[in-house]
Amino acid sequence: DVVLTQTPVSLSVTLGDQASISCRSSQSLEYSDGYTYLEWYLQKPGQSPQLLIYEVSNRFSGVPDRFIGSGSGTDFTLKISRVEPEDLGVYYCFQATHDLTFGSGTKLEIK
Amino acid sequence: EVQLVESGGGLVKPGSSLKLSCVASGFTFSSYGMHWIRQAPKKGLEWIALIYYDSSNKYYADSVKGRFTISRDNSKNTLYLEMNSLRSEDTAMYYCAKGSTRAMFAYWGQGTLVTVSS
Repeated sequence: DVVLTQTPVSLSVTLGDQASISCRSSQSLEYSDGYTYLEWYLQKPGQSPQLLIYEVSNRFSGVPDRFIGSGSGTDFTLKISRVEPEDLGVYYCFQATHDLTFGSGTKLEIK
Repeated sequence: EVQLVESGGGLVKPGSSLKLSCVASGFTFSSYGMHWIRQAPKKGLEWIALIYYDSSNKYYADSVKGRFTISRDNSKNTLYLEMNSLRSEDTAMYYCAKGSTRAMFAYWGQGTLVTVSS
C-alpha cells in the first residue's frame, strides 16, 4: 500500500508569512496515463474537509491563488503564501494513483 | 448548489448493525461516483468505500471489507452505507463525498457520527 508522509506534523505561522507543507509518497504517483493524482484538502476547525488542489497543482473552484501545489513523482509541496486567519486547520494530502490514501495531516496554527 | 446530507448515525453496541444515508441534491446524482470517508475522533481521514455512478463497481478499504456495503438508489438521489459487525474502532464521523471529473472528493457532506460502545 502507498504511504503518504506529511511534514511537519504541525506548524505555527505569522499572519502574512508563507507556510510550506511536504507530502512524500512511498511510490511514484505518476499514473500510466501521464497524470499524477495527488490532491490537497483543508479541514477547518469543526468543519468537513474541503478540496484545495487536484492533480498536484490545479486549484479547485474558488480556492485563492495564495495556495500553490507543486511536485512530481514522490515529492509534493503545498505552499500558502500570505497566510490569513481563515487558513488555520489541518491539511491533508491524498493520492488516487494507487488505491486511495490520505496523508496523516499537518496542523497549521496562527502565531 | 451541491448538497450532501448524511443521516443515520448514532450510538450502537459492538456487533450490531447500522445503515447510513446520504441524500444528494444540486447535481445529476446518477452521473457520479460517490464515496464514504470516515474520521475517528481526533484522528485523520480514512477513505472506506466507493461506488460507481451505475453501481457496476464497488470498492472497499481493507478495514471494512466484508462488513460494510455501499449502495445507491439513483431514483432517490441517495447513497447508503450498511455497516455490520460493528467494532469500537468503527467509531467515527462518516462523510459522504462526490467526485468531479478531475478530483476525487470535490464536495463533502457535514457528516454523521457513529459511536460503537457497550
